Amino acid sequence: QKEVEQNSGPLSVPEGAIASLNCTYSDRGSQSFFWYRQYSGKSPELIMFIYSNGDKEDGRFTAQLNKASQYVSLLIRDSQPSDSATYLCAVGDNSYKLIFGSGTRLLVRP
Amino acid sequence: EPEVTQTPSHQVTQMGQEVILRCVPISNHLYFYWYRQILGQKVEFLVSFYNNEISEKSEIFDDRFSVERPDGSNFTLKIRSTKLEDSAMYFCASSGTGGRHEQYFGPGTRLTVT
Repeated sequence: QKEVEQNSGPLSVPEGAIASLNCTYSDRGSQSFFWYRQYSGKSPELIMFIYSNGDKEDGRFTAQLNKASQYVSLLIRDSQPSDSATYLCAVGDNSYKLIFGSGTRLLVRP
Repeated sequence: EPEVTQTPSHQVTQMGQEVILRCVPISNHLYFYWYRQILGQKVEFLVSFYNNEISEKSEIFDDRFSVERPDGSNFTLKIRSTKLEDSAMYFCASSGTGGRHEQYFGPGTRLTVT
């Protein structure tokens, strides 16, 4: 059974701080890694994807992948109250289906 | 910006009835998916569809479920003989080609089975 694990949170950070969200996965054959943001009652919104070991930066977001440790993380710099949401880690294999974690709830305090 | 659309936004049906959930994927995408999310739970994969056939399906996608691409734009999920436990948000997603498989989700259809 392929699993994706996330701490459910909530992770509470002050406005302007760096939020660090983590995810581990069980399948060593996983090939693609995604972070989605989900506001309450809404659909998942793709915010970052990463396919290779290392860091990938896009604006205030940085995704980090370590395949040896089966670990993916998302850093959000200069956190804003509007970043408050649930962040879903999703992992894809060569069949392209995504396995989702249960999500980490992020609260950014003004 | 292209987006995935879904209709209806909310569907209420009685147990045992059939429902059809509709999706219009992003126009140049070739891979289509259905996921569901029961309230408070994980997003779960149901089925993937490529080149007019099912690529993969999960254990949830039993004989009551079917998918179809009836024309060049729509992608549908049919659930026959609905059960109470089918109540969930159903999300359609699509992804492109050329080695890129980022999946973009539609707004979802909330299915309530009474």
